[in-house]
Amino acid sequence: AQTVTQSQPEMSVQEAETVTLSCTYDTSESNYYLFWYKQPPSRQMILVIRQEAYKQQNATENRFSVNFQKAAKSFSLKISDSQLGDTAMYFCACSSGNTPLVFGKGTRLSVIA
Amino acid sequence: NAGVTQTPKFRVLKTGQSMTLLCAQDMNHEYMYWYRQDPGMGLRLIHYSVGEGTTAKGEVPDGYNVSRLKKQNFLLGLESAAPSQTSVYFCASSYGPDDPYLDEQYFGPGTRLTVT
Repeated sequence: AQTVTQSQPEMSVQEAETVTLSCTYDTSESNYYLFWYKQPPSRQMILVIRQEAYKQQNATENRFSVNFQKAAKSFSLKISDSQLGDTAMYFCACSSGNTPLVFGKGTRLSVIA
Repeated sequence: NAGVTQTPKFRVLKTGQSMTLLCAQDMNHEYMYWYRQDPGMGLRLIHYSVGEGTTAKGEVPDGYNVSRLKKQNFLLGLESAAPSQTSVYFCASSYGPDDPYLDEQYFGPGTRLTVT
C-alpha cells in the first residue's frame, strides 16, 4: 500500500518570497507518479505539477518546481515569487500502475501581503 | 467542454434517508473516481471504475454503492445516510487506458453533504 505524509499542516509566506512544502511517500512499486494538487477556497482541485519517478530531472511549471529525492522518498514543492492567488490547500499524492491516487492530508498555505 | 460536473452542489439529509450523487464527464475518460474530503484527512477514495459496467472498492467503501452504466456517468449512492457521512464529495476522471493511474485526474467542483 502507498502512503503519503505531509508534515506541515499550515504554512505562511510573504508575498514575493519563496516557500517549500514538504512531502514524503512510501511505495513498493518501481513505476509511479507523484503529484501536487492545489485546492483554493473555491474548493476546485487543480493539478500544479507532476513528476514521473523514472525521470531524474525535477519537474518545473513556471513558478512551481519540485525537489524529487527518490532514495529518500521525498517530493517537496517550491513556490517562487509567491502570489496572493497561491493561497490554498496543497495536497501531495502518489499513484502507481496498480494503485489509484493516494493523497496526503494537505498543507494549508497562506500568502501574506 | 464542461469537464467533470457534479449534481447536486449541496444537500442536507436526515439520518436514514437515501440519495444519489451524479458525476458526469465529457472527456471520454475510461476511469472515474469518487472521493470524500474531511477536515484534516485529505481526500480518501471511496469507489472507482475502470470502465463502463465496472466498479471497485477504494479505501473507505462502507455505506456507499456505485454504478457506471454509461461511460460518461458515475453514480454514488447512500442507501441509509449517517452523520459520519457528512463530508465534501469529489468526483474525478482520468483518461486511461494504458497507464490509468499515472494520468492526471480531472476533478469536479464537489458536493457538500450534511447528514443531521
